[in-house]
Amino acid sequence: QVQLVESGGGVVQPGRSLRLSCAASGFTFSGYAMHWVRQAPGKGLEWVAIISYDGTYIYHADSVKGRFTISRDNSKNTLYLQMSSLRTEDTAVYSCAREQWRALDIWGQGTMVTVSS
Amino acid sequence: EIVLTQSPGTLSLSPGERATLSCRASQSVSSTYLAWYQQKPGQAPRLLIYGASSRATGIPDRFSGSGSGTDFTLTISRLEPKDFAVYYCQQYVSSPLTFGGGTKVEIK
Repeated sequence: QVQLVESGGGVVQPGRSLRLSCAASGFTFSGYAMHWVRQAPGKGLEWVAIISYDGTYIYHADSVKGRFTISRDNSKNTLYLQMSSLRTEDTAVYSCAREQWRALDIWGQGTMVTVSS
Repeated sequence: EIVLTQSPGTLSLSPGERATLSCRASQSVSSTYLAWYQQKPGQAPRLLIYGASSRATGIPDRFSGSGSGTDFTLTISRLEPKDFAVYYCQQYVSSPLTFGGGTKVEIK
């Protein structure tokens, strides 16, 4: 079935780096733009980044620009989020999502990132 | 950046009642680019409506979306116990994609 599974979350100190992965299955990964969205504990949804189906268009939210980088490997059906210079306010559940009809139709369950000293 | 403002913040209703949720955009949004999601505690968001009024796969017809320009509405015609959740609107005219702050529909 169509599925997205995130991994790579954990507890990290401020200023350190972390790389998240999102493994896609059940659909033609290379045919879809993909997004990262995060949700801080008890808060709403915050969009993080988008990458086009072929990786030629990339856009990051201002809150993470210059610190986070979205990428993909279509040969491995995997989406990535490289996070550096992490801050306590980056603490959140990070989810990947597939774009269709200018909406996010398939979501992973998310991976928790906790930035704390 | 297009800012989406959802109201009310919390809606207290009983099962069987009608729920009307509002999403107002800071500038005009083509209906093609407006979506609604449902999120329950500990779960990923679920796409309900895209293109302002088209139901996603498997979404029951008690959920309907409408609106244009800067004002959009999600209506749940008769609330069922499983519908009590948080609802978000989202626009994606161009980057950045943005979400509204959410409306919690709680049992009265």
